[in-house]
Amino acid sequence: GQNIDQPTEMTATEGAIVQINCTYQTSGFNGLFWYQQHAGEAPTFLSYNVLDGLEEKGRFSSFLSRSKGYSYLLLKELQMKDSASYLCAVRNFNKFYFGSGTKLNVKP
Amino acid sequence: KAGVTQTPRYLIKTRGQQVTLSCSPISGHRSVSWYQQTPGQGLQFLFEYFSETQRNKGNFPGRFSGRQFSNSRSEMNVSTLELGDSALYLCASSPGTEGGYSGANVLTFGAGSRLTVL
Repeated sequence: GQNIDQPTEMTATEGAIVQINCTYQTSGFNGLFWYQQHAGEAPTFLSYNVLDGLEEKGRFSSFLSRSKGYSYLLLKELQMKDSASYLCAVRNFNKFYFGSGTKLNVKP
Repeated sequence: KAGVTQTPRYLIKTRGQQVTLSCSPISGHRSVSWYQQTPGQGLQFLFEYFSETQRNKGNFPGRFSGRQFSNSRSEMNVSTLELGDSALYLCASSPGTEGGYSGANVLTFGAGSRLTVL
């Protein structure tokens, strides 16, 4: 089966840095994706890793270790608008397997 | 460039009824996939279509079905509705490729259809 684990909820302070972890065990791997989903809205794409290492996109960075089945999303200089759920997804050819998401609460 | 459009946005049905949801992908996208999102289970894969063919199917009962038309628009149908079918149904499109593996093909999601079964 497919297993993707993320913490259910995290809280951080505006301006701080937060790291959201994701561990996975899947039968195949063609990439790991991070999506952001604000309450009542559609998920939107944040980042993608297929090789080990760090990918940086502005305030967001994502890291992947395929040998460990591990990824994290790093959010810097947190803003109130970053309060949302963050979904980790593993792609196996045409299928995407999503974790249950991490709800991030950003406090002033 | 128009995004992924899902209709209807909200609907209420009673147990035993059936429902059809529609999804219009981004122009040029040939792959359409469907997901069920519930608070307890997160996003669960239903099925994926490419060029009118179902290429992949998740672990849902046969009451859940779908199809894709020649213009890439897709519909999903749920028959004999149960209370547990209450969820947000999300459609996502991506360019897709014939061979299946399409590198960094990113899913673009629609806003979803929120189904409530009473």
